[in-house]
Amino acid sequence: DTEVTQTPKHLVMGMTNKKSLKCEQHMGHRAMYWYKQKAKKPPELMFVYSYEKLSINESVPSRFSPECPNSSLLNLHLHALQPEDSALYLCASSQGVQNFYEQYFGPGTRLTVT
Amino acid sequence: GENVEQHPSTLSVQEGDSAVIKCTYSDSASNYFPWYKQELGKRPQLIIDIRSNVGEKKDQRIAVTLNKTAKHFSLHITETQPEDSAVYFCAASKEAYGNKLVFGAGTILRVKS
Repeated sequence: DTEVTQTPKHLVMGMTNKKSLKCEQHMGHRAMYWYKQKAKKPPELMFVYSYEKLSINESVPSRFSPECPNSSLLNLHLHALQPEDSALYLCASSQGVQNFYEQYFGPGTRLTVT
Repeated sequence: GENVEQHPSTLSVQEGDSAVIKCTYSDSASNYFPWYKQELGKRPQLIIDIRSNVGEKKDQRIAVTLNKTAKHFSLHITETQPEDSAVYFCAASKEAYGNKLVFGAGTILRVKS
């Protein structure tokens, strides 16, 4: 299996809802990432997990809460989001966090906050 | 921190022509430079990368060159085809920040048939 998968593909939520995004990889990668991408813009790094521990938090608001239950799974819990949080949320993985390891992206979850 | 500038923002070429996209970076310590292709509504896909100990790398119709002195790197696509139409992002990374990629703003490439 050489893919990163994400569910759901699309998500519409109200500002008072709680939802979660899921990411999975079975490539044995030990680093996993969450990115946010607005239309026609590059991906913006949110979080990095290395060996299931949070290693980078790019000053993301607390209404986004990441979780790495095991080496194959990465979740992003969402609560009290704002309309400006609407974006494509991409998960990525790499063999490690050294910069000679390639990052592979999942297909993304397109999130709309109403 | 690192800053990556990418030019041009849009590029239109005729099918069969070559396309060149250029990126400059600010941090001389950056030593890994990947290129991603993102088709409309799809995920970014790694198409080629280069590390600072190499000046050029080729993969079929795609090549990347790196000039460490000038701190710029370029993507070259030869014999362009309509399926090459996409947004291309360059990125830079260095050891001190783990595998944190700093992306350029992107180039929209249109290949006209």
